[in-house]
Amino acid sequence: DTGVSQNPRHKITKRGQNVTFRCDPISEHNRLYWYRQTLGQGPEFLTYFQNEAQLEKSRLLSDRFSAERPKGSFSTLEIQRTEQGDSAMYLCASSLRAALGANVLTFGAGSRLTVL
Amino acid sequence: KNQVEQSPQSLIILEGKNCTLQCNYTVSPFSNLRWYKQDTGRGPVSLTIMTFSENTKSNGRYTATLDADTKQSSLHITASQLSDSASYICVVSYYTGGGNKLTFGTGTQLKVEL
Repeated sequence: DTGVSQNPRHKITKRGQNVTFRCDPISEHNRLYWYRQTLGQGPEFLTYFQNEAQLEKSRLLSDRFSAERPKGSFSTLEIQRTEQGDSAMYLCASSLRAALGANVLTFGAGSRLTVL
Repeated sequence: KNQVEQSPQSLIILEGKNCTLQCNYTVSPFSNLRWYKQDTGRGPVSLTIMTFSENTKSNGRYTATLDADTKQSSLHITASQLSDSASYICVVSYYTGGGNKLTFGTGTQLKVEL
């Protein structure tokens, strides 16, 4: 297991097109998170899964965004009808659920989206 | 409002020098505090994680401190190397009814030069 894997690493698309990112977490991790990060800012939470259940979605996740984790393993994040404001780095992280909350997130390298 | 503020926003130091990055938070109720290192174009990598009862934790040349009373943390880098050039992000975890949540700082951009 080589950590959290994301692809594609970079996606350039035209406004209005749909894009999909994939995240393969560390195999034994049951939690999977999606974050968005713009230049000079810290990551902003989008959503997270525990196994296949999507437990929380941020208000940042508009109707154009949808995330799935159908078998509790890999996850996809789809953005429909992309807008220039969607340009950002999309980070995936995974962790083991810890009873006291001290679960360390392991991040992937990110998928950078550029919307022209 | 739960916030994490980091200072300085950016920092340039010479190789071999030490530096200290600051993190102040208003997050409550506090669970733990983490420091992450993020290289340009890469995902963040965990450096340290500290709970309420821990005052200091080291990871090689990185030493983090935590003062839960004043809600301040620092990350000290000793004998800096060119590879230390990165963004350092302070992340505070807090309890909610639905579990733990994370609040990220905007990071300190460190550049180490020859």
